[in-house]
Amino acid sequence: AQKVTQAQTEISVVEKEDVTLDCVYETRDTTYYLFWYKQPPSGELVFLIRRNSFDEQNEISGRYSWNFQKSTSSFNFTITASQVVDSAVYFCALSLIQGAQKLVFGQGTRLTINP
Amino acid sequence: ETGVTQSPTHLIKTRGQQVTLRCSSQSGHNTVSWYQQALGQGPQFIFQYYREEENGRGNFPPRFSGLQFPNYSSELNVNALELDDSALYLCASSPPGLAGLNEQFFGPGTRLTVL
Repeated sequence: AQKVTQAQTEISVVEKEDVTLDCVYETRDTTYYLFWYKQPPSGELVFLIRRNSFDEQNEISGRYSWNFQKSTSSFNFTITASQVVDSAVYFCALSLIQGAQKLVFGQGTRLTINP
Repeated sequence: ETGVTQSPTHLIKTRGQQVTLRCSSQSGHNTVSWYQQALGQGPQFIFQYYREEENGRGNFPPRFSGLQFPNYSSELNVNALELDDSALYLCASSPPGLAGLNEQFFGPGTRLTVL
């Protein structure tokens, strides 16, 4: 079975600070995808990134960056120079490449950026 | 291009009643997945439909059932509602082919309250 753990339940920082959201996953499969989603108060899950288990390259998109380390089964997400609009609940998720496209989500981290 | 839509937005039912939630997939998408998100938790996979057939199911009892129609829209039916069924129900659609593998685009959700 697959499992995703986001140990940080809530994080609160002041605007312009950098913040890292942790994600640790468990799976016996060697081929899988990892995801990050953002859930604003409206409730809709907004896709941020998908990484293939074969590709451990870190990725940067504007103020967002992701660090994928298979050796520690982690897929951490960093927001640089945070903004108030970044306030949301962030979910890390995993799905296997084989079979149904079932996403297994972590519990989420509620991020609050204070002005 | 229209995204994933869900109806109704909110719903209040009483224990023992039955409910039907609806989802229209994004244009061109042929796979629909349903998730249940309890308050403060990550979404949990209910089931997935591909070409009108169930293509994977999570750990939910048989009173949770679904349908997919020829136009790829979908319904989630829940019978004999229980208080613990109160949650945000999310629908996600995926495009066809390998390119669509594991890409899920979420709708805004239906918030169900069971009294």
